[in-house]
Amino acid sequence: QVQLQESGPGLVKPSETLSLTCTVSGDSISYYYWSWIRQPPGKGLEWIGYIYYNWSTNYNPSLKSRLTLSVDKSKNQFSLKLSSVTTADTAMYYCAISRSSGVFFDSWGQGTLATVSS
Amino acid sequence: EIVLTQSPGTLSLSPGERATLSCRASQSVSFYLGWYQQKPGQAPRLLIYGAFSRATGIPDRFSGRGSGTDFTLTISRLEPEDFAVYYCQQYGSSPYTFGQGTKLEIK
Repeated sequence: QVQLQESGPGLVKPSETLSLTCTVSGDSISYYYWSWIRQPPGKGLEWIGYIYYNWSTNYNPSLKSRLTLSVDKSKNQFSLKLSSVTTADTAMYYCAISRSSGVFFDSWGQGTLATVSS
Repeated sequence: EIVLTQSPGTLSLSPGERATLSCRASQSVSFYLGWYQQKPGQAPRLLIYGAFSRATGIPDRFSGRGSGTDFTLTISRLEPEDFAVYYCQQYGSSPYTFGQGTKLEIK
């Protein structure tokens, strides 16, 4: 049973960079699409982007200029960096995987709340 | 970007009743549509993928149908644990998008 766990600072200052990590256990990080999805408090879900096992990436155009996704296979982790954050980036951030040829999300982490505030 | 519109926004039903949730796409996504259930304080859980295939461990009271632009999630007989928010998600075209959600509440 694969398990995903997000980690990162809960509070980030405006204009700084939000950095989050997703640690995967129970399965190898290879061969899947590894995505980040966020949910502002009380609102709906937004797909942020994915990184594939071959390091190829696909970013949501709304965030592309500020977003970097990476993977560390040796640690079974993948990471998100979102630069120049504003209060609009305050959200619960989930990591999730897609274990098929389609990018739907069959396993999710529990989420980590990132708050942007001075 | 493909916009998904879910209806109704809120659905009030009683346990044992049948629930029908709708998701309409602004352009065709073929069969590349999933449904998720989210309870308060929890991550979403995949229910349906490929418009009608149940994910592992999902009870058969959940069923999906549709193709192209119009999709439906049906819960045949509501159990108390089914009251939650439901989201559809298309993966036919990037960026992958979600509907705004339907809240299923106890009447």
